[in-house]
Amino acid sequence: SQQGEEDPQALSIQEGENATMNCSYKTSINNLQWYRQNSGRGLVHLILIRSNEREKHSGRLRVTLDTSKKSSSLLITASRAADTASYFCATDATVKAAGNKLTFGGGTRVLVKP
Amino acid sequence: SQTIHQWPATLVQPVGSPLSLECTVEGTSNPNLYWYRQAAGRGLQLLFYSVGIGQISSEVPQNLSASRPQDRQFILSSKKLLLSDSGFYLCAWSIHATGGSELHFGNGTRLTVT
Repeated sequence: SQQGEEDPQALSIQEGENATMNCSYKTSINNLQWYRQNSGRGLVHLILIRSNEREKHSGRLRVTLDTSKKSSSLLITASRAADTASYFCATDATVKAAGNKLTFGGGTRVLVKP
Repeated sequence: SQTIHQWPATLVQPVGSPLSLECTVEGTSNPNLYWYRQAAGRGLQLLFYSVGIGQISSEVPQNLSASRPQDRQFILSSKKLLLSDSGFYLCAWSIHATGGSELHFGNGTRLTVT
């Protein structure tokens, strides 16, 4: 079963607009990560936010984490056509230090129209 | 810098035939290694992970097996493929880190079982 569930499943916006997607999960986590996947390719890591962090920024990306609500959001500001991709959240609830196992959500497909 | 190689990129195999997918990592030592499968339009399902040579953990009972004959080599195999084995297979690596770390993915193998 999937630990993280993204919302919405699909998002269509105009270039220059902001894109926001949310992720909910069920169990306690060590960290939550966001990945991007272009069609037919592997996933690329975007941001890792630890359970004791509430917000993180990387360029045009902003991630928030609310452990009390078991939810996270990814905001892409000033979107570009090149941001068109699927975005996945992944949670790490690994108990032991060895082998951090990530559980992925179903993803949000983002289409940025030029 | 670290790189991950995964091959082949695409594969079409008949039902009942064997399978061998290979993944190698360069530029790091003693990585955690992972095999994920992605169904069309869905999230990723963890199949196997390894924290060291000869150490394999299976996450989902299935028709597949994994081996790690060398530190930076991870192989996914099947003796007899089923139609349900079709999907997009992704190999990934991470460092050993308490509290978790990011995964680095290969470009994937698209397997179609006919």
